Amino acid sequence: AQSVTQLGSHVSVSEGALVLLRCNYSSSVPPYLFWYVQYPNQGLQLLLKYTTGATLVKGINGFEAEFKKSETSFHLTKPSAHMSDAAEYFCAVSAQTGYSTLTFGKGTMLLVSP
Amino acid sequence: ETGVTQTPRHLVMGMTNKKSLKCEQHLGHNAMYWYKQSAKKPLELMFVYSLEERVENNSVPSRFSPECPNSSHLFLHLHTLQPEDSALYLCASSRDVTSGSYNEQFFGPGTRLTVL
Repeated sequence: AQSVTQLGSHVSVSEGALVLLRCNYSSSVPPYLFWYVQYPNQGLQLLLKYTTGATLVKGINGFEAEFKKSETSFHLTKPSAHMSDAAEYFCAVSAQTGYSTLTFGKGTMLLVSP
Repeated sequence: ETGVTQTPRHLVMGMTNKKSLKCEQHLGHNAMYWYKQSAKKPLELMFVYSLEERVENNSVPSRFSPECPNSSHLFLHLHTLQPEDSALYLCASSRDVTSGSYNEQFFGPGTRLTVL
């Protein structure tokens, strides 16, 4: 069975500061890894994903994440936060074989202050 | 319309009512999903359909009844719900249901359901 742990239900940063959202996963085999963002009153939008190849993945809006197999982590970062980044972020995993169903973490709300 | 649309966006219903949620995808995908998003809980997968056939049902109570008449439309029929069923219900679609590096899920905006 797969599971996802997101450390911190809320993360607060100042505009211009580094954003770091943590995600650890548990899986018997290396999974596919995803970060989704949810703005208020909207559905989930894919930020980035890791499937194979380079372990540093770049996504939209300046976000990137690094897959570290030894640490079973896939932390999301952005060098400089913007006010528009305020949203809820979800880490998810899916198996590399079988059905492509996603297992989500509980989400981390990112708060950005001026 | 583009992407994945859901109607209604908000729904308030009593425990004895019957209502339906609708999802439509305009992406030419063959797989569709229903998720439940409750406060302080991870998104829960409810149902998965592939080419109008249900392939997964994650122990969802029978008061939730899905219907997939074609690969573009997905419904969730609701009857005799409980207050704890109040949540955001999200629909998603993907190219197909098998895992693959290309197989991204696209989400609709959700229906905010309140059960009184």
